[in-house]
Amino acid sequence: GAGVSQTPSNKVTEKGKYVELRCDPISGHTALYWYRQSLGQGPEFLIYFQGTGAADDSGLPNDRFFAVRPEGSVSTLKIQRTERGDSAVYLCASSFTGTDEQYFGPGTRLTVT
Amino acid sequence: GENVEQHPSTLSVQEGDSAVIKCTYSDSASNYFPWYKQELGKRPQLIIDIRSNVGEKKDQRIAVTLNKTAKHFSLHITETQPEDSAVYFCAACFGNEKLTFGTGTRLTIIP
Repeated sequence: GAGVSQTPSNKVTEKGKYVELRCDPISGHTALYWYRQSLGQGPEFLIYFQGTGAADDSGLPNDRFFAVRPEGSVSTLKIQRTERGDSAVYLCASSFTGTDEQYFGPGTRLTVT
Repeated sequence: GENVEQHPSTLSVQEGDSAVIKCTYSDSASNYFPWYKQELGKRPQLIIDIRSNVGEKKDQRIAVTLNKTAKHFSLHITETQPEDSAVYFCAACFGNEKLTFGTGTRLTIIP
């Protein structure tokens, strides 16, 4: 079956602009996670959804970052007033409730100029 | 919160030899420990995982061991091949919650 997909694959934006990153999880997976990976580092947790609700948003760095999952499937990560330090690969993962395996999407490479 | 340390940061191994990567974790409540392989520019791929009620798990050339008392777990790759070259990440979590990743090990297999 289809894996986790993310769009766009690459996004270049100017400092101060607003961006939206989209994640389509594996069909039937109720848990969805956003991570951020900087060059040479491991993924760092941002936010975790169980269904439509954010079960844990403790990894969001500040209030410029926000994520939604209105219908319990697709999720959008929103970044306001982007800064150069936001440049990274944003990874989405999903898992089937009751198991622990998280499967990752290909990521969106965000570059803030 | 959870903290995961991973060693070594780089590892070069002759083709056919074994490779071992080690991780330690801080949160004794963690009960799930996956390993991911990431090739350059690609997504992390789950290669093997272990849960806290098991001490060892093997899948062909890959094995993972877990010592809950010492809070450390290791990845073992035997009969290494060039396609094993990649960055490997360990991770830990409790239940279905967020993964905390190690800093990664760049494994290079020398032909």
